Amino acid sequence: AQSVTQLDSQVPVFEEAPVELRCNYSSSVSVYLFWYVQYPNQGLQLLLKYLSGSTLVKGINGFEAEFNKSQTSFHLRKPSVHISDTAEYFCAVSEVSGYSTLTFGKGTMLLVSP
Amino acid sequence: SQTIHQWPATLVQPVGSPLSLECTVEGTSNPNLYWYRQAAGRGLQLLFYSVGIGQISSEVPQNLSASRPQDRQFILSSKKLLLSDSGFYLCAWSEWTANYGYTFGSGTRLTVV
Repeated sequence: AQSVTQLDSQVPVFEEAPVELRCNYSSSVSVYLFWYVQYPNQGLQLLLKYLSGSTLVKGINGFEAEFNKSQTSFHLRKPSVHISDTAEYFCAVSEVSGYSTLTFGKGTMLLVSP
Repeated sequence: SQTIHQWPATLVQPVGSPLSLECTVEGTSNPNLYWYRQAAGRGLQLLFYSVGIGQISSEVPQNLSASRPQDRQFILSSKKLLLSDSGFYLCAWSEWTANYGYTFGSGTRLTVV
């Protein structure tokens, strides 16, 4: 079975600074990887996903993530954050073969201050 | 395009009362459907998923149950709520595999008092 570890429960950052949210996964087979964003009292919205091909994936709102198979990581980055990026971010993984549900990390709260 | 509807948005229920949360999907056929619960600081917990009408898989034994009476309808129920059932409940759908990720509803904030 797969698992996801988000190393930081909370990341404070100043507006216009760069940010990296870390995600590591564990699986015995090939995986698909996802990042979701959740604003307060709302559902989760897909930011980006890695299925195959280029290891650098670009998503919405200026976010990008890089799949690193050797380090089993899928870190999320943004070069310059805005106040509006304040939200909780979830990394998720599913197995490539057959039917698989998504397994989510516990989330990282990104707090952007002026 | 596909849309997912979840209601109610908020609910306050007394301990011991019944629960029924409903989720419907439009614009697709035979979706996979999921119920998640989100408690503060504990991430997302998969409660139930369904790959077809009448088929329910339970991930966590508890006093909640789920049903899928129609292809695009998923219901979360309880006969008697506990205080520990409080949380944010999310419905989601996907294609037959998780390859393309899930699409989530807007959630229901349940407070059991």
